Amino acid sequence: DAGITQSPRHKVTETGTPVTLRCHQTENHRYMYWYRQDPGHGLRLIHYSYGVKDTDKGEVSDGYSVSRSKTEDFLLTLESATSSQTSVYFCAIMSGFEGNTIYFGEGSWLTVV
Amino acid sequence: AQRVTQPEKLLSVFKGAPVELKCNYSYSGSPELFWYVQYSRQRLQLLLRHISRESIKGFTADLNKGETSFHLKKPFAQEEDSAMYYCALSGYQAGTALIFGKGTTLSVSS
Repeated sequence: DAGITQSPRHKVTETGTPVTLRCHQTENHRYMYWYRQDPGHGLRLIHYSYGVKDTDKGEVSDGYSVSRSKTEDFLLTLESATSSQTSVYFCAIMSGFEGNTIYFGEGSWLTVV
Repeated sequence: AQRVTQPEKLLSVFKGAPVELKCNYSYSGSPELFWYVQYSRQRLQLLLRHISRESIKGFTADLNKGETSFHLKKPFAQEEDSAMYYCALSGYQAGTALIFGKGTTLSVSS
């Protein structure tokens, strides 16, 4: 499982509330990613990080922010959740030893009502 | 533009039949190509990398740069192959995020 854990695994929240998803890794990987998975869209990159305090936007970053204050934790925050952010969120890491192969966490199911 | 196209949303085959999941890509340069598999409500798992040229669970994929394709093949499908399959590409620069296709659901029935 590449030492990745996501929390919470399932969450239901109300429109307009802030939500933070956590990705924790135990193997000191430099690169971390947040994707969202939606039917008909596949996986789309939200944000990524290439080191502590080094982050950048992906394809669908609007409405999301991230932080990485420690190597092991990459946080994804929905500042004010909307129904369009109902999705499955996957964290991933890049091992660096197998080219650009990435390994995924188990996913966080978020429902915004 | 960098893009991965999986033209089939759903592919249904019978057990023992050959399978080919199509993947075409657009990339300015030499990409790394991958196939990932996702079983029902589980994490995505790496199936193949074109660089390694391995055969995993009987699946193979050949990179055709002329046709910009990386089709996934298996000669004899099994019911346990039923899953969602994603093709993805990345640049060779370290840390380059993967771009995914929209996925193909493979359904194998007996």
